[in-house]
Amino acid sequence: QSALTQPPSASGSPGQSVTISCIGTRSDLGTSNYVSWYQQHPGKAPKLMIYEVTKRPSGVPDRFSGSKSGNTASLTVSGLQAEDEADYYCCSHGGRDNYIFGGGTKLTVL
Amino acid sequence: EVLLVESGGGLVQPGGSLRLSCAASGFSFSSSWMTWVRQTPGKGLEWVANMNPDGSGKYYADSVKGRFTISRDNARNSVSLQMNSLRAEDTALYYCARDGVPGARDHWGQGTLVTVSS
Repeated sequence: QSALTQPPSASGSPGQSVTISCIGTRSDLGTSNYVSWYQQHPGKAPKLMIYEVTKRPSGVPDRFSGSKSGNTASLTVSGLQAEDEADYYCCSHGGRDNYIFGGGTKLTVL
Repeated sequence: EVLLVESGGGLVQPGGSLRLSCAASGFSFSSSWMTWVRQTPGKGLEWVANMNPDGSGKYYADSVKGRFTISRDNARNSVSLQMNSLRAEDTALYYCARDGVPGARDHWGQGTLVTVSS
């Protein structure tokens, strides 16, 4: 199975909203509710931001939200802040007792 | 506090073997799915393998199937990854993670670096 498809980069100004897409296939994103998003700052371990498509772990600001439609999942960051600048990865159950990550999106806060 | 500490990384020649370990603390290890994820230097994340709480279920990425083996010791709160027949493309930072929420990794270690090179 191939990696999920994410745009390599995204950007927005402070206070704006940005949406990052994650495209899969019918056999992974299309049928799984085990969709998660991770934030990774340089030199740091990934941090879980969204799980089960829309749920936020305790401590994650409600500026972060997730959604899914068909074979595409999305992460929206509202009210962009400087500390949101990081790499973001989507992940989905692959339908064969495996998980697939996206290639990652570098979010720049202008 | 949940803590995951990986060890065992290093430089190994192609075709060689290495065993990674992850020491866990701060949570009910014997009730948790555990996962290994790797990250190629400067590139993205790749799910490698995971294991269910009692060790009866082990699942692997196609890229490592037949070469890597995940195991756990619930008495010692540790999970391991035995890596055999290593290839240059296995060079990566290997993370241990807990699947603490459905279908996702909610806590990660800091990673251990594996370099496969002659």
